[in-house]
Amino acid sequence: GENVEQHPSTLSVQEGDSAVIKCTYSDSASNYFPWYKQELGKRPQLIIDIRSNVGEKKDQRIAVTLNKTAKHFSLHITETQPEDSAVYFCAAPPNTGTASKLTFGTGTRLQVTL
Amino acid sequence: EPEVTQTPSHQVTQMGQEVILRCVPISNHLYFYWYRQILGQKVEFLVSFYNNEISEKSEIFDDQFSVERPDGSNFTLKIRSTKLEDSAMYFCASRRGSGYEQYFGPGTRLTVT
Repeated sequence: GENVEQHPSTLSVQEGDSAVIKCTYSDSASNYFPWYKQELGKRPQLIIDIRSNVGEKKDQRIAVTLNKTAKHFSLHITETQPEDSAVYFCAAPPNTGTASKLTFGTGTRLQVTL
Repeated sequence: EPEVTQTPSHQVTQMGQEVILRCVPISNHLYFYWYRQILGQKVEFLVSFYNNEISEKSEIFDDQFSVERPDGSNFTLKIRSTKLEDSAMYFCASRRGSGYEQYFGPGTRLTVT
């Protein structure tokens, strides 16, 4: 099955700096890579995703890059703000069918300090 | 914007008791999922459901677990005889027929004592 590894497990940045979180996956057939943000006690919230036919996608201060050859994808947050503090999870679905589950990474706790 | 809803938000039960967790997926979605998250850990897949049947289930989803879509709106997860290790946050998620995006509900925190 799909194995998703994520690092770092914790990341502390100063407000205004950039943050980068990296994930690797094992199933070369995976074709969709979402990122979720989870604030304490809240639901995972989809913030950005990328399909395997593109290498980069950007949405305001958030971007995701994908390297299919190396089987890794990264989340980039620029100009970080205190409200970016949360746990971020990457995920990938093994391409085993149309109802594909998501296999999640272990999460990165991002802390943005003033 | 429509959202997935779940009830109750918190359920406390004694070991060996049955619990039913309820979810109302987004109305035009066709794929439904249950995930769980033990405190401080990653989100883990339990089961996916499509066209009124289970599509896939994980090793966690043993004979003590079952899912049902009793009507056109609700999607339930039943745990027949709860164990201490079932204590976790349980998330329901749903997905449209096209596209891959899964949207999560707010979760039910299950505490087994």
